[in-house]
Amino acid sequence: DAMVIQNPRYQVTQFGKPVTLSCSQTLNHNVMYWYQQKSSQAPKLLFHYYDKDFNNEADTPDNFQSRRPNTSFCFLDIRSPGLGDAAMYLCATSRAGVSYNEQFFGPGTRLTVL
Amino acid sequence: AQSVTQPDIHITVSEGASLELRCNYSYGATPYLFWYVQSPGQGLQLLLKYFSGDTLVQGIKGFEAEFKRSQSSFNLRKPSVHWSDAAEYFCAVGRGGYGNKLVFGAGTILRVKS
Repeated sequence: DAMVIQNPRYQVTQFGKPVTLSCSQTLNHNVMYWYQQKSSQAPKLLFHYYDKDFNNEADTPDNFQSRRPNTSFCFLDIRSPGLGDAAMYLCATSRAGVSYNEQFFGPGTRLTVL
Repeated sequence: AQSVTQPDIHITVSEGASLELRCNYSYGATPYLFWYVQSPGQGLQLLLKYFSGDTLVQGIKGFEAEFKRSQSSFNLRKPSVHWSDAAEYFCAVGRGGYGNKLVFGAGTILRVKS
């Protein structure tokens, strides 16, 4: 089945230690998104890629970076995680350019910062 | 700016009872509206979507939603709730543009009592 895969599902890191979260998709969608979801809150868009074009949300901290080496993979890098960055990180994809398509979400990565 | 309001943070219903979850949106043009469900520790699953046409849309798992432009609402309904429906439900509005960006409401947690 075509899907959005996130690895790892659970990630523990230390305060200030860089961490990378991974997302891959078999849907061949050209748009990929990263959301941050803190406990009991709505998902908040951090940034998205339209093909190779990176689009940062205005309020996304510089501490968060992303890479998309190819269509299938997208990475979220947190350069110096703080305690406030503990959250669920959701990856999503959509196929833009052909009417308005919904976003397909991965299962998320739960990040704990010690 | 686009926004979504889900006025009920928690709702508890008895198994077999009907359900209605409220969603109000603010958007300057014809909205693209979605309902997603999230089980604990999981990603978001699309229940249904509205782009245009018939204002009553059917989704998966027996859910339906009605778009009412005059009330800026897109309420989710189910005639008979099952215990497995206990989850968090998010309403979202599409901000349009090639990135298909979504703005989410704060979510409603549904509890089902037997």
